[in-house]
Amino acid sequence: GIQVEQSPPDLILQEGANSTLRCNFSDSVNNLQWFHQNPWGQLINLFYIPSGTKQNGRLSATTVATERYSLLYISSSQTTDSGVYFCAVDQYSGAGSYQLTFGKGTKLSVIP
Amino acid sequence: DADVTQTPRNRITKTGKRIMLECSQTKGHDRMYWYRQDPGLGLQLIYYSFDVKDINKGEISDGYSVSRQAQAKFSLSLESAIPNQTALYFCATSDSQSSYNEQFFGPGTRLTVL
Repeated sequence: GIQVEQSPPDLILQEGANSTLRCNFSDSVNNLQWFHQNPWGQLINLFYIPSGTKQNGRLSATTVATERYSLLYISSSQTTDSGVYFCAVDQYSGAGSYQLTFGKGTKLSVIP
Repeated sequence: DADVTQTPRNRITKTGKRIMLECSQTKGHDRMYWYRQDPGLGLQLIYYSFDVKDINKGEISDGYSVSRQAQAKFSLSLESAIPNQTALYFCATSDSQSSYNEQFFGPGTRLTVL
């Protein structure tokens, strides 16, 4: 099946710093989503971004489908940005079915 | 996402017990999913359902069963719980009528099997 690799696995930032998280995938995909899992375990949708660039406040994401990667940018980080960021790709698996495959995540810690 | 609810939110049970996790959604979506997350890992698909009469196994279905009681309800059962089923369980939904297959997740159920 498709492989999804996220880097770095861990990241510690000073509050106010910027960061870039990367997601590489091994095959063509129908869709790509970025999620933030907060320290209480809840998964929050950040972006649905099969291609192109989107921005939402201090966060933006870019997917280059032809080169099989996506980047998540966090600017002016805040302590509330802490948690784990997951990339998940959606690949057609036949008979009208799509399967979402997750990477292992990047654990971000923002310190005051 | 408040439109997808899961009960219970936390559960501690003993080996060999039967347990049911429930998921309800008010998003009007037809597709529903159950995922499992082990510590330090991403989510893995257990089962998915594209409508009330359609149930499909995911990559880790052994030891689990599901029931789609209505379009809005999808339950996951562990017939005889074992300790390595201790994990965080998520329900998700998506809309086949959308041109996207964006999935929306519930708050999760933290299950501990002793």
